[in-house]
Amino acid sequence: NAGVTQTPKFQVLKTGQSMTLQCAQDMNHEYMSWYRQDPGMGLRLIHYSVGAGITDQGEVPNGYNVSRSTTEDFPLRLLSAAPSQTSVYFCASSYGVANQETQYFGPGTRLLVL
Amino acid sequence: DQQVKQNSPSLSVQEGRISILNCDYTNSMFDYFLWYKKYPAEGPTFLISISSIKDKNEDGRFTVFLNKSAKHLSLHIVPSQPGDSAVYFCAASGGGSNYKLTFGKGTLLTVNP
Repeated sequence: NAGVTQTPKFQVLKTGQSMTLQCAQDMNHEYMSWYRQDPGMGLRLIHYSVGAGITDQGEVPNGYNVSRSTTEDFPLRLLSAAPSQTSVYFCASSYGVANQETQYFGPGTRLLVL
Repeated sequence: DQQVKQNSPSLSVQEGRISILNCDYTNSMFDYFLWYKKYPAEGPTFLISISSIKDKNEDGRFTVFLNKSAKHLSLHIVPSQPGDSAVYFCAASGGGSNYKLTFGKGTLLTVNP
């Protein structure tokens, strides 16, 4: 298993541009989520999904869209990039949605918005 | 309002000694706690977890202690090794099917040879 994969590893955008951060898992995990990590802030939940076709907002959803058309993929869309979205983005997944499921993280995407 | 707090941004210990990382939480609905380790330029990796029905969980050199009355947990690493040098995040979830994780800000552990 490749686990949780994320592409690209690094991206530079100009303010106002849009892009999609890709996340895929090959473990047949039901639950997937996106976090952002900023210096001194820990990881904050952006959006999450409990299964194909079901998504919901996390702690910091503004400026981001998600969809979950398949079990494997959970892309994160930046509609109009802003410098405040400069961050490291992590995708995570877990087998089930019970609260004691361990979540596994991808390697991250570093995004710089100029 | 920070619900999971790691008040020590950094900790330095000698190889072979014990490392103790602390975490406090304020939300009494949290009932599952996890520690993640993160190396630079990598994603967080799961280290150890504990349910609120327990007060201790061990896995090799790693032990997590939970004090529910104090809303406090700690991660003990014995003996510490240079490869343990990383950022350690405490995370919590709870409230029945509330599987969303709330993270602390992390503690940078440096183990000196």
